[in-house]
Amino acid sequence: AQSVTQPDIHITVSEGASLELRCNYSYGATPYLFWYVQSPGQGLQLLLKYFSGDTLVQGIKGFEAEFKRSQSSFNLRKPSVHWSDAAEYFCAVGATGGATNKLIFGTGTLLAVQP
Amino acid sequence: KAGVTQTPRYLIKTRGQQVTLSCSPISGHRSVSWYQQTPGQGLQFLFEYFSETQRNKGNFPGRFSGRQFSNSRSEMNVSTLELGDSALYLCASGSGSTDTQYFGPGTRLTVL
Repeated sequence: AQSVTQPDIHITVSEGASLELRCNYSYGATPYLFWYVQSPGQGLQLLLKYFSGDTLVQGIKGFEAEFKRSQSSFNLRKPSVHWSDAAEYFCAVGATGGATNKLIFGTGTLLAVQP
Repeated sequence: KAGVTQTPRYLIKTRGQQVTLSCSPISGHRSVSWYQQTPGQGLQFLFEYFSETQRNKGNFPGRFSGRQFSNSRSEMNVSTLELGDSALYLCASGSGSTDTQYFGPGTRLTVL
């Protein structure tokens, strides 16, 4: 069965510091992979996605993620965090090869940014 | 293009009542999915519609149902509400058969 693990429930970084949020997935084939961000009381905003091709994908707001098949990981990175990046981040996996848009989400990582 | 819209944004109901939530997808999108988000269970898939047909369903009781109209708008219904149904209900739309999902702002349901 598909699953997504985000090992870090809560992370605090200083403004201007680099950031890496971890995501590991379990899936029988190469999945579709997504990172979403959610501000309090809001819906999910797509940061970036991986379907195929280049394993380093660029997203909005200066985020990037790297797909590593050997490690079943899709970690999210940002070189310099801004206070406005404080939010909850969700990694998700989608099925390939089938007629469905169903997503399986990780439990999320809550990011706090300190001045 | 306008994004995914959900109405109402907030809803308060009492146990035993029923509720209908509405979702309008991005123009041209034919796929609509629903998710329930709670602090304890996180984001859980409810069901998915594509061209008016339900093609995938999550592990929720039959009290949760949905439908999709010919204009791709979707509604979900929860009957005989329970306290545990209090959650943020998120709708997502996609353009194709297997595609990126874009989420709406959600409907916050509180059951008293």
